[in-house]
Amino acid sequence: DQQVKQNSPSLSVQEGRISILNCDYTNSMFDYFLWYKKYPAEGPTFLISISSIKDKNEDGRFTVFLNKSAKHLSLHIVPSQPGDSAVYFCAALDSGNTPLVFGKGTRLSVIA
Amino acid sequence: SAVISQKPSRDICQRGTSLTIQCQVDSQVTMMFWYRQQPGQSLTLIATANQGSEATYESGFVIDKFPISRPNLTFSTLTVSNMSPEDSSIYLCSVEGWAGPGELFFGEGSRLTVL
Repeated sequence: DQQVKQNSPSLSVQEGRISILNCDYTNSMFDYFLWYKKYPAEGPTFLISISSIKDKNEDGRFTVFLNKSAKHLSLHIVPSQPGDSAVYFCAALDSGNTPLVFGKGTRLSVIA
Repeated sequence: SAVISQKPSRDICQRGTSLTIQCQVDSQVTMMFWYRQQPGQSLTLIATANQGSEATYESGFVIDKFPISRPNLTFSTLTVSNMSPEDSSIYLCSVEGWAGPGELFFGEGSRLTVL
Protein backbone atom coordinates (compact mmCIF):
# COMPACT_ATOMS: atom_id res chain seq x y z
CA ASP A 1 0.00 0.00 0.00
CA GLN A 2 1.60 3.22 -1.17
CA GLN A 3 1.40 5.89 1.48
CA VAL A 4 2.81 8.64 -0.73
CA LYS A 5 1.53 8.85 -4.28
CA GLN A 6 2.70 10.88 -7.21
CA ASN A 7 0.15 10.06 -9.86
CA SER A 8 1.83 11.87 -12.74
CA PRO A 9 4.93 10.01 -13.91
CA SER A 10 5.91 12.90 -16.16
CA LEU A 11 5.19 16.54 -16.87
CA SER A 12 6.30 18.87 -19.67
CA VAL A 13 6.29 22.62 -19.24
CA GLN A 14 7.47 25.51 -21.36
CA GLU A 15 10.35 27.58 -20.06
CA GLY A 16 9.10 30.58 -18.11
CA ARG A 17 5.77 28.99 -17.23
CA ILE A 18 4.71 27.49 -13.92
CA SER A 19 5.39 23.84 -13.11
CA ILE A 20 3.02 22.21 -10.64
CA LEU A 21 3.93 18.81 -9.24
CA ASN A 22 1.37 17.02 -7.12
CA CYS A 23 1.57 14.52 -4.30
CA ASP A 24 -1.09 12.76 -2.24
CA TYR A 25 -0.64 10.85 0.98
CA THR A 26 -2.77 8.49 3.00
CA ASN A 27 -1.18 8.43 6.45
CA SER A 28 -2.65 11.15 8.67
CA MET A 29 0.28 10.72 11.07
CA PHE A 30 2.66 12.34 8.60
CA ASP A 31 3.65 15.72 9.95
CA TYR A 32 6.56 16.76 7.76
CA PHE A 33 6.79 16.76 4.00
CA LEU A 34 9.75 17.19 1.68
CA TRP A 35 10.57 17.45 -1.98
CA TYR A 36 13.75 16.05 -3.46
CA LYS A 37 15.16 16.60 -6.92
CA LYS A 38 17.19 14.01 -8.81
CA TYR A 39 19.30 14.45 -11.92
CA PRO A 40 20.41 11.40 -13.94
CA ALA A 41 23.38 9.54 -12.45
CA GLU A 42 23.21 11.64 -9.29
CA GLY A 43 21.65 11.04 -5.91
CA PRO A 44 18.51 12.93 -4.88
CA THR A 45 19.06 16.37 -3.34
CA PHE A 46 16.81 18.03 -0.80
CA LEU A 47 14.82 20.91 -2.28
CA ILE A 48 12.19 22.22 0.14
CA SER A 49 10.09 21.04 3.05
CA ILE A 50 6.99 21.98 4.99
CA SER A 51 5.73 21.18 8.44
CA SER A 52 2.12 20.14 8.92
CA ILE A 53 1.51 23.27 11.01
CA LYS A 54 1.96 25.39 7.89
CA ASP A 55 0.13 25.47 4.60
CA LYS A 56 2.80 27.18 2.51
CA ASN A 57 6.55 27.44 2.39
CA GLU A 58 8.44 29.46 -0.18
CA ASP A 59 12.07 29.44 -1.19
CA GLY A 60 12.90 31.52 -4.22
CA ARG A 61 11.22 30.06 -7.27
CA PHE A 62 9.97 27.05 -5.30
CA THR A 63 6.83 27.00 -3.20
CA VAL A 64 5.26 24.02 -1.49
CA PHE A 65 1.58 24.06 -0.57
CA LEU A 66 0.01 21.68 1.91
CA ASN A 67 -3.70 20.89 2.14
CA LYS A 68 -4.03 18.66 5.19
CA SER A 69 -7.75 18.09 4.86
CA ALA A 70 -7.24 16.76 1.34
CA LYS A 71 -3.97 15.02 2.26
CA HIS A 72 -2.41 16.74 -0.71
CA LEU A 73 0.70 18.77 -1.33
CA SER A 74 2.09 20.42 -4.40
CA LEU A 75 5.34 21.95 -5.51
CA HIS A 76 5.18 25.06 -7.67
CA ILE A 77 8.18 26.19 -9.67
CA VAL A 78 7.89 29.61 -11.25
CA PRO A 79 9.32 30.56 -13.59
CA SER A 80 10.42 27.13 -14.81
CA GLN A 81 13.92 26.88 -16.26
CA PRO A 82 15.52 24.16 -18.42
CA GLY A 83 17.85 23.35 -15.49
CA ASP A 84 14.79 22.34 -13.48
CA SER A 85 14.39 19.28 -15.72
CA ALA A 86 14.78 16.38 -13.30
CA VAL A 87 12.81 13.77 -11.38
CA TYR A 88 11.04 15.21 -8.34
CA PHE A 89 10.27 12.98 -5.37
CA CYS A 90 7.73 13.81 -2.74
CA ALA A 91 8.51 12.39 0.72
CA ALA A 92 6.73 12.33 4.06
CA LEU A 93 7.74 11.77 7.64
CA ASP A 94 5.99 10.87 10.83
CA SER A 95 8.07 12.49 13.55
CA GLY A 96 7.61 9.36 15.64
CA ASN A 97 10.79 8.47 13.80
CA THR A 98 9.44 6.14 11.18
CA PRO A 99 11.53 6.13 8.01
CA LEU A 100 11.04 8.76 5.36
CA VAL A 101 8.45 7.50 2.84
CA PHE A 102 9.00 8.48 -0.79
CA GLY A 103 6.69 8.66 -3.77
CA LYS A 104 7.68 7.19 -7.13
CA GLY A 105 8.67 10.52 -8.57
CA THR A 106 7.54 12.81 -11.39
CA ARG A 107 9.86 13.52 -14.30
CA LEU A 108 9.72 17.21 -15.18
CA SER A 109 10.88 18.37 -18.58
CA VAL A 110 11.18 22.11 -19.09
CA ILE A 111 11.25 22.91 -22.77
CA ALA A 112 13.11 25.96 -24.00
CA SER B 1 26.56 19.61 2.80
CA ALA B 2 28.08 16.16 3.18
CA VAL B 3 29.97 14.67 0.25
CA ILE B 4 29.18 10.99 -0.21
CA SER B 5 31.07 8.74 -2.62
CA GLN B 6 29.82 5.35 -3.68
CA LYS B 7 31.61 2.55 -5.51
CA PRO B 8 30.88 1.04 -7.93
CA SER B 9 28.72 3.55 -9.77
CA ARG B 10 27.35 0.73 -11.88
CA ASP B 11 27.90 -2.95 -12.47
CA ILE B 12 26.49 -5.87 -14.38
CA CYS B 13 26.35 -9.02 -12.32
CA GLN B 14 25.54 -12.66 -12.89
CA ARG B 15 22.69 -14.38 -11.12
CA GLY B 16 23.78 -16.08 -7.90
CA THR B 17 26.79 -13.86 -7.26
CA SER B 18 27.22 -11.22 -4.57
CA LEU B 19 28.39 -7.63 -4.85
CA THR B 20 29.58 -5.22 -2.20
CA ILE B 21 28.88 -1.51 -2.51
CA GLN B 22 31.08 0.93 -0.64
CA CYS B 23 30.03 4.29 0.77
CA GLN B 24 32.48 6.91 2.01
CA VAL B 25 31.40 10.16 3.70
CA ASP B 26 33.62 13.20 4.08
CA SER B 27 32.65 13.74 7.71
CA GLN B 28 31.92 11.60 10.74
CA VAL B 29 28.27 10.63 11.03
CA THR B 30 26.37 8.54 13.52
CA MET B 31 23.90 6.92 11.17
CA MET B 32 24.20 5.90 7.55
CA PHE B 33 21.20 4.74 5.56
CA TRP B 34 20.97 2.37 2.63
CA TYR B 35 18.11 2.82 0.15
CA ARG B 36 17.02 0.89 -2.90
CA GLN B 37 15.20 2.22 -5.93
CA GLN B 38 13.84 -0.50 -8.16
CA PRO B 39 12.94 0.51 -11.74
CA GLY B 40 9.90 2.79 -11.75
CA GLN B 41 9.54 2.58 -7.99
CA SER B 42 10.09 4.85 -5.05
CA LEU B 43 13.16 4.93 -2.83
CA THR B 44 12.81 2.33 -0.10
CA LEU B 45 14.91 2.19 3.05
CA ILE B 46 16.76 -1.11 3.39
CA ALA B 47 18.53 -0.54 6.69
CA THR B 48 20.16 1.94 9.03
CA ALA B 49 23.81 1.36 9.88
CA ASN B 50 25.16 2.63 13.20
CA GLN B 51 28.83 2.42 14.00
CA GLY B 52 29.56 -0.18 16.62
CA SER B 53 26.24 -1.98 16.49
CA GLU B 54 24.24 -4.24 14.22
CA ALA B 55 22.36 -2.59 11.39
CA THR B 56 18.61 -2.16 11.79
CA TYR B 57 16.67 -3.62 8.87
CA GLU B 58 13.28 -2.50 7.61
CA SER B 59 10.41 -4.87 7.03
CA GLY B 60 11.05 -7.05 4.01
CA PHE B 61 14.83 -6.84 4.20
CA VAL B 62 17.07 -9.33 6.02
CA ILE B 63 20.69 -9.42 7.04
CA ASP B 64 21.44 -12.64 5.14
CA LYS B 65 20.45 -11.00 1.87
CA PHE B 66 21.84 -7.50 2.58
CA PRO B 67 24.71 -7.74 5.07
CA ILE B 68 26.02 -4.34 6.12
CA SER B 69 29.29 -3.32 7.68
CA ARG B 70 30.02 -0.07 9.50
CA PRO B 71 33.64 -0.21 10.62
CA ASN B 72 33.99 3.50 11.42
CA LEU B 73 32.12 6.81 11.41
CA THR B 74 32.82 7.63 7.76
CA PHE B 75 32.42 4.33 5.92
CA SER B 76 29.87 1.60 5.30
CA THR B 77 29.34 -1.28 2.91
CA LEU B 78 26.21 -3.00 1.67
CA THR B 79 26.45 -6.45 0.14
CA VAL B 80 23.72 -7.75 -2.14
CA SER B 81 23.96 -11.51 -1.78
CA ASN B 82 22.97 -14.33 -4.11
CA MET B 83 21.61 -11.86 -6.62
CA SER B 84 18.63 -12.43 -8.88
CA PRO B 85 17.26 -10.18 -11.65
CA GLU B 86 14.79 -8.76 -9.09
CA ASP B 87 17.77 -7.18 -7.32
CA SER B 88 18.46 -4.97 -10.33
CA SER B 89 18.13 -1.54 -8.76
CA ILE B 90 19.89 1.64 -7.85
CA TYR B 91 21.33 1.36 -4.34
CA LEU B 92 21.88 4.63 -2.52
CA CYS B 93 23.79 5.51 0.60
CA SER B 94 22.66 8.51 2.61
CA VAL B 95 23.29 10.45 5.81
CA GLU B 96 21.21 12.90 7.78
CA GLY B 97 21.39 16.58 7.03
CA TRP B 98 21.06 19.35 9.56
CA ALA B 99 18.47 21.68 8.05
CA GLY B 100 15.49 19.86 9.50
CA PRO B 101 13.61 16.58 9.85
CA GLY B 102 13.88 14.25 6.89
CA GLU B 103 16.71 16.06 5.17
CA LEU B 104 19.15 13.53 3.76
CA PHE B 105 22.30 13.78 1.71
CA PHE B 106 22.62 10.99 -0.84
CA GLY B 107 25.49 9.45 -2.70
CA GLU B 108 25.27 9.24 -6.48
CA GLY B 109 23.97 5.70 -6.31
CA SER B 110 25.17 2.32 -7.54
CA ARG B 111 23.19 0.95 -10.46
CA LEU B 112 23.22 -2.85 -10.46
CA THR B 113 21.94 -4.94 -13.31
CA VAL B 114 21.61 -8.67 -12.64
CA LEU B 115 21.46 -10.96 -15.67
